[in-house]
Amino acid sequence: KNEVEQSPQNLTAQEGEFITINCSYSVGISALHWLQQHPGGGIVSLFMLSSGKKKHGRLIATINIQEKHSSLHITASHPRDSAVYICAVRSDRFGNEKLTFGTGTRLTIIP
Amino acid sequence: DTGVSQDPRHKITKRGQNVTFRCDPISEHNRLYWYRQTLGQGPEFLTYFQNEAQLEKSRLLSDRFSAERPKGSFSTLEIQRTEQGDSAMYLCASSVDRVANEKLFFGSGTQLSVL
Repeated sequence: KNEVEQSPQNLTAQEGEFITINCSYSVGISALHWLQQHPGGGIVSLFMLSSGKKKHGRLIATINIQEKHSSLHITASHPRDSAVYICAVRSDRFGNEKLTFGTGTRLTIIP
Repeated sequence: DTGVSQDPRHKITKRGQNVTFRCDPISEHNRLYWYRQTLGQGPEFLTYFQNEAQLEKSRLLSDRFSAERPKGSFSTLEIQRTEQGDSAMYLCASSVDRVANEKLFFGSGTQLSVL
């Protein structure tokens, strides 16, 4: 079992729909990142969370530390939101600086 | 452009050849990471520098791989005697300071194809 699991792997939705992408992890963490990757490789950091909830524009990220679960929501989805969304965690083990990534959720928004 | 830059964007090489990639992080960032990503997978950690010190290295990084950051600014990743299994996107990322701001900034990557 991977340390970071994302669901769904693929998601296709109509423009305007509310989108939820889920991330579950199995280790204690000090931080969780949500990242967006467009075709061609470029990765953009969306959020870094250690507790609670963060909002930026139409994007909302939440985390439940007790349940080891995070969600990324997109409101009023738009075709330009089509990308791969990746969850990554940093372990709370002392001295550990690496991020462990999920395999990503490929989101396609149809006009 | 003040983002993380990587060079080259694409590299095609024959099996057995050596290749070297360069990463220039954002200038005030003291932390630099190398990751590798294969098709359909999330990035995998390779190594991490704080300033010029290489502090963590993945078991994925065999003795054919070496990374340096000699002056704490740019970094190079060298792969010796390349194998077809080394074909992947090699990503570099940088950040300022773990306590103050953990946000990572990624370069566009170097796509390596080993024939």
